[in-house]
Amino acid sequence: KAGVTQTPRYLIKTRGQQVTLSCSPISGHRSVSWYQQTPGQGLQFLFEYFSETQRNKGNFPGRFSGRQFSNSRSEMNVSTLELGDSALYLCASSHQGQNTEAFFGQGTRLTVV
Amino acid sequence: QKEVEQNSGPLSVPEGAIASLNCTYSDRGSQSFFWYRQYSGKSPELIMFIYSNGDKEDGRFTAQLNKASQYVSLLIRDSQPSDSATYLCAVIPSSASKIIFGSGTRLSIRP
Repeated sequence: KAGVTQTPRYLIKTRGQQVTLSCSPISGHRSVSWYQQTPGQGLQFLFEYFSETQRNKGNFPGRFSGRQFSNSRSEMNVSTLELGDSALYLCASSHQGQNTEAFFGQGTRLTVV
Repeated sequence: QKEVEQNSGPLSVPEGAIASLNCTYSDRGSQSFFWYRQYSGKSPELIMFIYSNGDKEDGRFTAQLNKASQYVSLLIRDSQPSDSATYLCAVIPSSASKIIFGSGTRLSIRP
């Protein structure tokens, strides 16, 4: 069974540009969550999608957006990139329900210069 | 008050000893609790989950849950240098369907 796949693994962008990251969840998982991780900040929750609908949202500006497709694959977009957006972006997939653990992809390392 | 709190460490433990990692949570109705291990530059990896009060053992790892006191802990027996990593506590609160992570405890096993 394939795990969570994130692409690309590494990305370098210039300030002001926009970027799109992709996440393919484990087969059968319908929930996809996105996190930003920077040194010293821990995992910061961005948003969660379930069945193509955003179910939860963290405290990030509107420059951060996402969507989920009918096959549960999800994309995250960041517009007007800032230096502070440099981080490891992690995607996690899980089944529906309370007692469901999340499995992470390898992450996308975004560097904004 | 943070929803999930952990001591950031670093926690330094000699090789072969027991490492004890603690986590407290604010939502008394939380039902699901997880421990993830994250090596530097890598993504978090699920190592334990626990739903009921008491202890749950898996190899060298034991998760302990005390819902009355709202804490969950992870014990690592016979600590190895390969256990050096950041350990993240995660909770699914009763109020939301998302998993909430603590900021992690950095564990260092010294030979």
